[in-house]
Amino acid sequence: DGGITQSPKYLFRKEGQNVTLSCEQNLNHDAMYWYRQDPGQGLRLIYYSQIVNDFQKGDIAEGYSVSREKKESFPLTVTSAQKNPTAFYLCASRLGTYNEQFFGPGTRLTVL
Amino acid sequence: AQTVTQSQPEMSVQEAETVTLSCTYDTSESDYYLFWYKQPPSRQMILVIRQEAYKQQNATENRFSVNFQKAAKSFSLKISDSQLGDAAMYFCAYRSLFISNFGNEKLTFGTGTRLTIIP
Repeated sequence: DGGITQSPKYLFRKEGQNVTLSCEQNLNHDAMYWYRQDPGQGLRLIYYSQIVNDFQKGDIAEGYSVSREKKESFPLTVTSAQKNPTAFYLCASRLGTYNEQFFGPGTRLTVL
Repeated sequence: AQTVTQSQPEMSVQEAETVTLSCTYDTSESDYYLFWYKQPPSRQMILVIRQEAYKQQNATENRFSVNFQKAAKSFSLKISDSQLGDAAMYFCAYRSLFISNFGNEKLTFGTGTRLTIIP
């Protein structure tokens, strides 16, 4: 089945540690995205990538980093510079210019 | 910058009845997309319906339909014959029609409406 997978579903991290969230898609989609969701707020864009080896900052990129070495994969690293990293993180992808985004199941990150 | 406003944090409806969720947006663009996404307790975001601003006809998908009022910048979602499986957070989202490298790639989301279905 085609789809977007995110792992792990739940992630715990100690303050001061970097952590990487995985996002893989086998839909042959060109563009990929990372969003953050906090209670009472909509999704906010962290980073996006329209093609391999290229990515752009979104609205809240500070404290995060990404890479896009393969079309299928778009991992997100939450660094120790992110002041409030506890949140739900959603990865999405899109095929073509005019199509909607499809979302993965998300990763819940908790900083202890 | 575009903004999306959902003024109803919570709504409830009796099973089999009809409910309408409100969404307004602000933009200076003339061509764009509007979406309704559903987020059930599993937290997976699921596309419910899409509307292209250049189309006058309101989009429909089975029991889901929209009332798109471009001049008023309003985009409401109507759910007919509500079912228990419709219980979820519903998010309205905006996206520019044309994608470039100048920041219009993203979806802009509202803060969501939590819909409860009463059996």
